[in-house]
Amino acid sequence: KAGVTQTPRYLIKTRGQQVTLSCSPISGHRSVSWYQQTPGQGLQFLFEYFSETQRNKGNFPGRFSGRQFSNSRSEMNVSTLELGDSALYLCASSPSLSSGANVLTFGAGSRLTVL
Amino acid sequence: GESVGLHLPTLSVQEGDNSIINCAYSNSASDYFIWYKQESGKGPQFIIDIRSNMDKRQGQRVTVLLNKTVKHLSLQIAATQPGDSAVYFCAENLHPSGGSYIPTFGRGTSLIVHP
Repeated sequence: KAGVTQTPRYLIKTRGQQVTLSCSPISGHRSVSWYQQTPGQGLQFLFEYFSETQRNKGNFPGRFSGRQFSNSRSEMNVSTLELGDSALYLCASSPSLSSGANVLTFGAGSRLTVL
Repeated sequence: GESVGLHLPTLSVQEGDNSIINCAYSNSASDYFIWYKQESGKGPQFIIDIRSNMDKRQGQRVTVLLNKTVKHLSLQIAATQPGDSAVYFCAENLHPSGGSYIPTFGRGTSLIVHP
């Protein structure tokens, strides 16, 4: 089956602009999580969506937001971009079984460069 | 390819050697651990997992050891191959009081395999 698909793969923005990233999870997976990956901070959790609701949120400012649609596809948005937002943004999906922690399946990421 | 680990610990080995990658986790209440592998230009991929009621689990060429006393995980790769070159992350999962598991990722170790 198809994996997690993220678009766009690469994008360049300037400070003050906003950006929207898209993620299509594996078919049947209902949970979508977003991570920011930078060389200095590693993988940091942004938020998790399940059944169109934000279920968990990391420690990021309100400029970072997301949503999930009824087909489980998710988008994240970053407004008023700063240079420090340059990073690889990773989306991961999981079946979110009630039995406990699930393995995440990651997409290849969207590489954002802010100039 | 993507550069995701400019400041990571690095392990260099010769092809055919065994590799051991270590990880210290932070929360003694974490009860589920996963190792992920991230190749250049890709998102992290699941390698192997272990629950806290076990101290060892074996997969194909990989073994994970868990020492809860000192909060330490290790990933052993037997007969390391050039294709094993990647960044390796451990992730700890804390059973939530409510809601879902959100993994916390380690900083990662870059494994370089020389032919």
